[in-house]
Amino acid sequence: DTTVKQNPRYKLARVGKPVNLICSQTMNHDTMYWYQKKPNQAPKLLLFYYDKILNREADTFEKFQSSRPNNSFCSLYIGSAGLEYSAMYLCASSRDRGQAEQFFGPGTRLTVL
Amino acid sequence: GEQVEQRPPHLSVREGDSAVIICTYTDPNSYYFFWYKQEPGAGLQLLMKVFSSTEINEGQGFTVLLNKKDKQLSLNLTAAHPGDSAVYFCAVSLTSGGNYKPTFGKGTSLVVHP
Repeated sequence: DTTVKQNPRYKLARVGKPVNLICSQTMNHDTMYWYQKKPNQAPKLLLFYYDKILNREADTFEKFQSSRPNNSFCSLYIGSAGLEYSAMYLCASSRDRGQAEQFFGPGTRLTVL
Repeated sequence: GEQVEQRPPHLSVREGDSAVIICTYTDPNSYYFFWYKQEPGAGLQLLMKVFSSTEINEGQGFTVLLNKKDKQLSLNLTAAHPGDSAVYFCAVSLTSGGNYKPTFGKGTSLVVHP
């Protein structure tokens, strides 16, 4: 099974409320990524886990949290959603960092009202 | 850091025509190049992975050209058909010794009319 699953597919959140998005893969990939995708923009890397080590991008360091309780699951957590968080959130996994193909989930569309 | 420009943002062609999408990158140390295809409602799927050492790569119905001198990567669909309609993304990655995070282009929305 080479699919990456994301839940939920659509999420509606209120400003100031927390949001938790879930991603899973069963390919035993050591790296899992979270991207934010807005219309007419490139997917923006938010953070990635290489095994148990979390790497967060400098410009989104304080806005997003993540956890990876085991190799298969990875979450993306927003403590207090703002209107600017409305976007598609893409999860991906790869066998290695950078050099290997990334397998993407279908995305979670988050709308913050 | 690495920057990737992808053009055009939108492309409309007739079935049987060719379609060309170009990405320009900035870091000469870029070594891995990827083209992904995203169909509606689905995740990005790898179309082709290209190494810096190979300039011409052929797939089924398309060719990927890498021009290291101009730091340009192109995807050429030779005879497009409606099933090729999708959003295409390029991605560029450095060697493992440096920045190992792929940098993506903004995507090209391709529509192939019957």
